[in-house]
Amino acid sequence: NAGVTQTPKFQVLKTGQSMTLQCAQDMNHNSMYWYRQDPGMGLRLIYYSASEGTTDKGEVPNGYNVSRLNKREFSLRLESAAPSQTSVYFCASSHGTGYMNTEAFFGQGTRLTVV
Amino acid sequence: QKEVEQDPGPLSVPEGAIVSLNCTYSNSAFQYFMWYRQYSRKGPELLMYTYSSGNKEDGRFTAQVDKSSKYISLFIRDSQPSDSATYLCAMRKVQETSGSRLTFGEGTQLTVNP
Repeated sequence: NAGVTQTPKFQVLKTGQSMTLQCAQDMNHNSMYWYRQDPGMGLRLIYYSASEGTTDKGEVPNGYNVSRLNKREFSLRLESAAPSQTSVYFCASSHGTGYMNTEAFFGQGTRLTVV
Repeated sequence: QKEVEQDPGPLSVPEGAIVSLNCTYSNSAFQYFMWYRQYSRKGPELLMYTYSSGNKEDGRFTAQVDKSSKYISLFIRDSQPSDSATYLCAMRKVQETSGSRLTFGEGTQLTVNP
């Protein structure tokens, strides 16, 4: 029962390098999200995908792009990494429809350091 | 100003104490309220979910919502060392029926000492 799986778990990048964070869920959820968590800032939404084929910006989208590859997978790409993007990144998913849908299931996180 | 305010702590209590964790919010559009627990180096996991004003109890945990004051609380009775974690409040606006975008508080770091 994997839930939400993120890869990699840790990554160190040099400024200007690019990378893609991968996320997959096996719960047949419609909606998927990418958050970043920073000390003093809490969890902030980067991008989300309400359903397969759609993506929307969240609170802090600058410097990131996303791809909803299929219903299971939602990737986050840093085209040119900056030290300000050093953070812990969480992918989450939820059923995504209806007023009563609320619970989001989170992955274990990717700790990214940009030097 | 943040839409959701939460005292980051840290909060340290002895085992068996009653713990009170709180969040305030500024936007009355928030109608769904959650508490997540996050252990160190792990992802958040849903602990409690409430919709209406009032109390909701689950074992040692009670979630309380006061929409008139825009204030939510989580109470932990008979706290245990295993409750040591960061507790995050989260909220969703009523118009967001798809996607369920959540707005999180900063999180309160709790340590329960044996």
